[in-house]
Amino acid sequence: GQQVMQIPQYQHVQEGEDFTTYCNSSTTLSNIQWYKQRPGGHPVFLIQLVKSGEVKKQKRLTFQFGEAKKNSSLHITATQTTDVGTYFCVDSRGSQGNLIFGKGTKLSVKP
Amino acid sequence: DAGITQSPRHKVTETGTPVTLRCHQTENHRYMYWYRQDPGHGLRLIHYSYGVKDTDKGEVSDGYSVSRSKTEDFLLTLESATSSQTSVYFCAISGIGFGNQPQHFGDGTRLSIL
Repeated sequence: GQQVMQIPQYQHVQEGEDFTTYCNSSTTLSNIQWYKQRPGGHPVFLIQLVKSGEVKKQKRLTFQFGEAKKNSSLHITATQTTDVGTYFCVDSRGSQGNLIFGKGTKLSVKP
Repeated sequence: DAGITQSPRHKVTETGTPVTLRCHQTENHRYMYWYRQDPGHGLRLIHYSYGVKDTDKGEVSDGYSVSRSKTEDFLLTLESATSSQTSVYFCAISGIGFGNQPQHFGDGTRLSIL
């Protein structure tokens, strides 16, 4: 069935270091969404990528969609403690209109 | 944040008891979803609704039922709770289904079945 694989599962960084999480799908994605979930919180939508090779930026966050639309990445430049949380890539093309969540990358940032 | 309220926020109950979780929205969105989140599994869809009285099963629907009698309310019922249903439950809403619009999540219900 549909699934998205996300790596790494955990990442510990020193504040100020960069961070990247990768998302891979066995099938071509129609589009992909990224969500962030703070500890104890709920998933919050960050961005949606639709076009092959698309790159979008939100301040220190850069999102990329692969040329073949089978992979995506999220890169955070100069992490801050406010970046702590779990980042999920999501295949938004679930057969029932649901979201197929990757298992997420949990980011911890040491001050 | 979107107007989504889940209740209760926390619940502890015993195996075999019925449990109902409520999701209330003020956005007038057509689509509503129930997910459960467990360590190592991300979020998995339990049931969803695409309109009043229109519901369907998701990936992990066994042991759960849902009802939607009004646009704003979507109820999730565990008829006879089991320990495997201990989880965090999230409700989500969207105006459009089939993945072309973000889903907005409630704050979650932490349910413990002893």
